Amino acid sequence: GAVVSQHPSRVICKSGTSVKIECRSLDFQATTMFWYRQFPKQSLMLMATSNEGSKATYEQGVEKDKFLINHASLTLSTLTVTSAHPEDSSFYICSARDTEGIILYNEQFFGPGTRLTVL
Amino acid sequence: GNSVTQMEGPVTLSEEAFLTINCTYTATGYPSLFWYVQYPGEGLQLLLKATKADDKGSNKGFEATYRKETTSFHLEKGSVQVSDSAVYFCALSGPNFGNEKLTFGTGTRLTIIP
Repeated sequence: GAVVSQHPSRVICKSGTSVKIECRSLDFQATTMFWYRQFPKQSLMLMATSNEGSKATYEQGVEKDKFLINHASLTLSTLTVTSAHPEDSSFYICSARDTEGIILYNEQFFGPGTRLTVL
Repeated sequence: GNSVTQMEGPVTLSEEAFLTINCTYTATGYPSLFWYVQYPGEGLQLLLKATKADDKGSNKGFEATYRKETTSFHLEKGSVQVSDSAVYFCALSGPNFGNEKLTFGTGTRLTIIP
């Protein structure tokens, strides 16, 4: 099946630094990728939709200057948390939709997630 | 807007027990409905889906039926195994064609004991 990887799986950084998280579709091309944030014992909250070759679409309440998204190729999207603060600590998950997939089913393939801890 | 409410966990069952995880939703029109499973240390995997009313999704012994009249998509399995221990998420997308955004429930942690 379709595989999505994320790197790193876990990162600890100091407050004020920036952290980049990569999301790769390993065996398919993805024009659209999604970034989610998951708080403990809570649901996944969609942060933004990443479109290859164009600007990302952010959900209401998500700061685009804080969470920079780049989708430079059909297999890679990156999320950069700029000037990270302890409240940014969370589990970040990406997903990708197969470009050749059936839109009607809206199936997304998920990465394993990245645990960010900001000290 | 769209929302999904699912049974709070954690749920602990003995092996071979019957499983039901309730899920109800709020959406206009006819969304697509999904159950995702997240095994420890792994990403979410699509378990099953249903795209229209009265459809039944099934996979690995799990079933869920799209009930428009009760706006529900309850997950069931007749005999659970230890390997079914995971977190289960109910989700919906749409209802408009091409609307890819997924709205998730809070997840239900299931633990099966031998």
